[in-house]
Amino acid sequence: AQTVTQSQPEMSVQEAETVTLSCTYDTSENNYYLFWYKQPPSRQMILVIRQEAYKQQNATENRFSVNFQKAAKSFSLKISDSQLGDTAMYFCAFMKHRGGGADGLTFGKGTHLIIQP
Amino acid sequence: GAVVSQHPSWVICKSGTSVKIECRSLDFQATTMFWYRQFPKQSLMLMATSNEGSKATYEQGVEKDKFLINHASLTLSTLTVTSAHPEDSSFYICSASRGTLNSPLHFGNGTRLTVT
Repeated sequence: AQTVTQSQPEMSVQEAETVTLSCTYDTSENNYYLFWYKQPPSRQMILVIRQEAYKQQNATENRFSVNFQKAAKSFSLKISDSQLGDTAMYFCAFMKHRGGGADGLTFGKGTHLIIQP
Repeated sequence: GAVVSQHPSWVICKSGTSVKIECRSLDFQATTMFWYRQFPKQSLMLMATSNEGSKATYEQGVEKDKFLINHASLTLSTLTVTSAHPEDSSFYICSASRGTLNSPLHFGNGTRLTVT
């Protein structure tokens, strides 16, 4: 079974600052995917970024980037130039590679990120 | 972009009654759908995986007779909470996949269930 750990229940930064959310995971799988999801107060799950474990290059999406350290089983999310709209719960998630297609996600407990004006 | 519609958004029911929640993929065929449960201020927990035309696979600890899942078509999966009790009150979220490994997962907006 997989486990995902987010050790920061809450973080608060000033607008325009850079913030890094941490995530570690444990698995015996070699092929898998890692995700960061954002859940604003509306509770809609929004995909922020995705990383395939077989890719060494860290994924980036505009202001969002990850630091994926496969050996250390670490998958942190960096948000640059943070904006008020980034305020939300952020969940790190793991999905093992399943030959037939997508598998269910294992989520961390989440980090509540607050961007202060 | 691809959309998953979940209905109802919220429902209040009396203890002992059953409630059905629908999850529809609006513009793609979802061979696999997933059901999650989220307690207040907590994470999402996978309840079950449903594949079109076959029985759902439930996670350990999830009562399959309590949470009935039907995935009768490629665009619709339903979760029925049978004989609901107050402890079943929660936020239920579905997600859908086209079925290929690289296809993204699309989440519904969730259903808030309150059992009185």
